[in-house]
Amino acid sequence: QKEVEQNSGPLSVPEGAIASLNCTYSDRGSQSFFWYRQYSGKSPELIMSIYSNGDKEDGRFTAQLNKASQYVSLLIRDSQPSDSATYLCAVYSSASKIIFGSGTRLSIRP
Amino acid sequence: DTEVTQTPKHLVMGMTNKKSLKCEQHMGHRAMYWYKQKAKKPPELMFVYSYEKLSINESVPSRFSPECPNSSLLNLHLHALQPEDSALYLCASSHTGDGYTFGSGTRLTVV
Repeated sequence: QKEVEQNSGPLSVPEGAIASLNCTYSDRGSQSFFWYRQYSGKSPELIMSIYSNGDKEDGRFTAQLNKASQYVSLLIRDSQPSDSATYLCAVYSSASKIIFGSGTRLSIRP
Repeated sequence: DTEVTQTPKHLVMGMTNKKSLKCEQHMGHRAMYWYKQKAKKPPELMFVYSYEKLSINESVPSRFSPECPNSSLLNLHLHALQPEDSALYLCASSHTGDGYTFGSGTRLTVV
């Protein structure tokens, strides 16, 4: 079992709709969870951090964490073509390092 | 200053060359990292420095040699690389336990 799992996609969503990205992790000792956006040929950019169970909203982005189910998700409301990118789920593990998922490619179609 | 600066942006080197990648941050972060990323793959951790001391080496071959001269600088010395080492090399920094801020990366090609 991979430490951080994501569906690789591509996930195709119409412009203006909600994009839902999911991630599961295996280390129950993990305390910090992150979502990064990476455009092709660019470096990852931190877009959301979440540390406790529940929802955290920042603009059009909502991160959701359920530690009991070892599940993290990212919702993007009113999706725009500029949201087309690879989204990396990342977990700060009990080994004091961030483990990245393999990423989900998101495509927003006009 | 909320940036991590990496130089050079692009590097082409032969298999017998010695070169260095440089990384600098002025955010007061005491943890700094080197990652390697191949196309369509997630970043792969190479080294972690915490308070200027090497704390994690992910079994990286000795042809990659990290150095942390001070709390703001991180270098990666390269020697006798192989073509399969061609990749995007990313530096990042953070407060311990926080999300990382990545630099723009060095695109390395080994010929």
